[in-house]
Amino acid sequence: DQQVKQNSPSLSVQEGRISILNCDYTNSMFDYFLWYKKYPAEGPTFLISISSIKDKNEDGRFTVFLNKSAKHLSLHIVPSQPGDSAVYFCAASARETSGSRLTFGEGTQLTVNP
Amino acid sequence: KAGVTQTPRYLIKTRGQQVTLSCSPISGHRSVSWYQQTPGQGLQFLFEYFSETQRNKGNFPGRFSGRQFSNSRSEMNVSTLELGDSALYLCASRKLAGGADTQYFGPGTRLTVL
Repeated sequence: DQQVKQNSPSLSVQEGRISILNCDYTNSMFDYFLWYKKYPAEGPTFLISISSIKDKNEDGRFTVFLNKSAKHLSLHIVPSQPGDSAVYFCAASARETSGSRLTFGEGTQLTVNP
Repeated sequence: KAGVTQTPRYLIKTRGQQVTLSCSPISGHRSVSWYQQTPGQGLQFLFEYFSETQRNKGNFPGRFSGRQFSNSRSEMNVSTLELGDSALYLCASRKLAGGADTQYFGPGTRLTVL
């Protein structure tokens, strides 16, 4: 039962344009969502998070949008840079029932072309 | 501030052996979680420790165990290794055991079972 899904295994964008990575979830108990960036053979690097009481959170070039009714979140990167090329993971936690346990999506490989 | 550190970074074992992996959290962080990343299953939660107590456990067999010391450092042990245990093992730390708090990951230990 895949509770967090990233349906696009890969995404390719031009430098300077917007990258939009999407994530869907099924567990209505999820109340905290995070995005991580990962390079091969390294640990995930935290990018940005959002609580279920919000619908948007921004941090520099990164913005996360949450649509609770659709059980959908997205990460926007503007402008995209070649250094953003990595695998992006969406993760969710249900703090009331599962504490800090993170459930991850399968990841999306983002390639930003110069 | 130093990040999460994991030792060793790489490990090769044979089937039937056991292995112990170590994780030192970020200074001041008291919660440590362990995750397994494999190509087939993605990133999966193993367990979480806080104040030397296991607070949460994922769906892994009893061969996977862990502990946490009074200085918050944590170890993970896998006994009777199987080929399928080959994976990147990631440790993540955070300040609090509850509430909206971000988990920060270490670089991981790459375990290969031959």
